[in-house]
Formats: sequence, C-alpha cells, structure tokens
Amino acid sequence: AQSVTQLGSHVSVSEGALVLLRCNYSSSVPPYLFWYVQYPNQGLQLLLKYTSAATLVKGINGFEAEFKKSETSFHLTKPSAHMSDAAEYFCAARGSVGALTFGSGTRLQVQP
Amino acid sequence: DTAVSQTPKYLVTQMGNDKSIKCEQNLGHDTMYWYKQDSKKFLKIMFSYNNKELIINETVPNRFSPKSPDKAHLNLHINSLELGDSAVYFCASSIQGGGQPQHFGDGTRLSIL
Repeated sequence: AQSVTQLGSHVSVSEGALVLLRCNYSSSVPPYLFWYVQYPNQGLQLLLKYTSAATLVKGINGFEAEFKKSETSFHLTKPSAHMSDAAEYFCAARGSVGALTFGSGTRLQVQP
Repeated sequence: DTAVSQTPKYLVTQMGNDKSIKCEQNLGHDTMYWYKQDSKKFLKIMFSYNNKELIINETVPNRFSPKSPDKAHLNLHINSLELGDSAVYFCASSIQGGGQPQHFGDGTRLSIL
C-alpha cells in the first residue's frame, strides 16, 4: 500500500527565511505527487504537482518541490517566507484508482 | 464561480439523527470523491465515483451512503449519527487518470452533540 510521510508536524520560520517542508513517499511505481495548502476553515488548494515531466516542479506563490527518486522524497521549498504562507501543508500521492493518500500535514508558522 | 461547492458549510446535530451533505462541481470532471478530515487534520478517502459509478468504497460504516445522481453531483447521507462522526468532510473532483489534480470544496464541518 502507498504511504506518505511528512516529517515535522510543526515548522516555524522567520519572515524572509527559507521554508523547507519534508515529504517522503513509498511506492513501487513512479507516483503522482502533490502538495496542497489549507488555510483555516478552508478547503485544500493545489500548490504543485509532480507527474514525471520534470524533477523540479514550480508551483504557485513561489513554492517549488524537487522529486528525488533515490531518496523517495518530494520536499517543498520557498526561498523567502511571507506571513501569508502560514497554513497547513499536505503532501499527497495518487493511488492506482485515483484517490489521494495524504501525509499527516505540517503546520507552518511564520514569525515576524 | 465556485468550482466545487458543498452545502451546508456547518452542520450541528444530535446523536442518532440522519443528515445529508451535498456537493456539486462545475468543472466538467468525471470523478468525484468524499474525504474525511479528523480532529488531528488527518485526511482519508471515503468514497469515489466515476461517471456515477462507485469505484472506491473504503472501510466506512454502512451508515454512510453516497449517491451520485449525475457526474456533477455527489451527495453523502449519514444515518444514525454518532459522536465519532464529528469531522470535516471534503468533496473533491478531478478528471480520471494520470496526474490530474483534485479540486476540493471548502468542507462541511459536522458537529455531533
């Protein structure tokens, strides 16, 4: 069965600092991977997706993620954090019948 | 225009009642999903329909019954509500196949008293 692990349930950075949110997946076949963001009392918004076209994926709001098959990782980064980035972030992998398997989420706090 | 819309946004009800949540998408997608997010924010698939046909039915109590009258709608009916059903329920839709992303509604927060 597919699984997604997000290391760190809480990450706190200063405004302007690098954001790094970690995600590892387990899959016997190249997966389709996604990062979603959830703001309080809202649904999930797609940040970016990996579909094997390129290992470095650029998304919205300045985020990007790099797919590393050797490390089974798909970490999310942003060079400079903004206060508005504070939210819950979810890494997800798409299964064979289409459903997403989510990681447990990482809450990003941005300190002024 | 709202892409995936759920109603109601909040649902507060007593244990033992029956309630429904409705979902509609105007994206022209052929596949719709229900996910449950628990109090620890963990998200888990419940059901999925493709062209009105049930394709995913995870280990969910049979008190939960999804219904898809057409490709654009997927409703969730819950009988005999229990305290443990308190959660946020998200509807999502996508085009089936490949790396097509899922688009999510804003969720329905169900609270059982």
